[in-house]
Amino acid sequence: QVQLVQSGAEVKKPGSSLKVSCKSSGDTFNKNAFFWVRQTPGQGLEWMGRIIPMLGSINYAQKFQGRVTITADESTTTVYMDLTNLKSDDTAIYYCATGSGNWFDPWGQGTLVTVSS
Amino acid sequence: QSALTQPASVSASPGQSITISCTGTSSDVGGYHYVSWYQQHPDKAPKLIIYDVIYRPSGVSDRFSGSKSGNTASLTISGLQAEDEADYYCSSFSSTNTLSYVFGTGTKVTVL
Repeated sequence: QVQLVQSGAEVKKPGSSLKVSCKSSGDTFNKNAFFWVRQTPGQGLEWMGRIIPMLGSINYAQKFQGRVTITADESTTTVYMDLTNLKSDDTAIYYCATGSGNWFDPWGQGTLVTVSS
Repeated sequence: QSALTQPASVSASPGQSITISCTGTSSDVGGYHYVSWYQQHPDKAPKLIIYDVIYRPSGVSDRFSGSKSGNTASLTISGLQAEDEADYYCSSFSSTNTLSYVFGTGTKVTVL
């Protein structure tokens, strides 16, 4: 049973950068894809990007191209999401999720990120 | 990229059935059998309840079922129970512009 544990809540200044980690337990790290999804306050879900560690394949949502970087560390079975040039509307809960197909299961617990001056 | 369109809210009494629609385009919902559905209770992470249009993960109640016709996918919840009150989101693989995934706008289900 895969479990994903994310890093803790963060408060950031506008213009700064964010790095959220997602540690995967279980034996699926080199089989699955890992995704990042965010949920803004009172709003819906927004797909940010995907990494398939086994293939070294990475895809980003067009909206975040140039600002987001997703990486994976096989030695620690941890996936990271970096987001630069933060703005107030980047305030959101950031989730990692994994899956062996075109779905997201399971999800991490979420990381609340607040961007405020 | 535009979100998939879902009704904002649906409500029904316990024991009734409801259907939530999820409308996209031929580049996402209509073009692939890669529609999934998620249930989200307040302050919780989303939970997968349907994948690849019609399949239920192990442990998910058979009261949940999925289907698709053209550019519209649907989630049906039969025998509605109080614990089904939650937000529901669809998602689809998309080939618009580049490989990506798109979520629906979300539907709040209220059990009266």
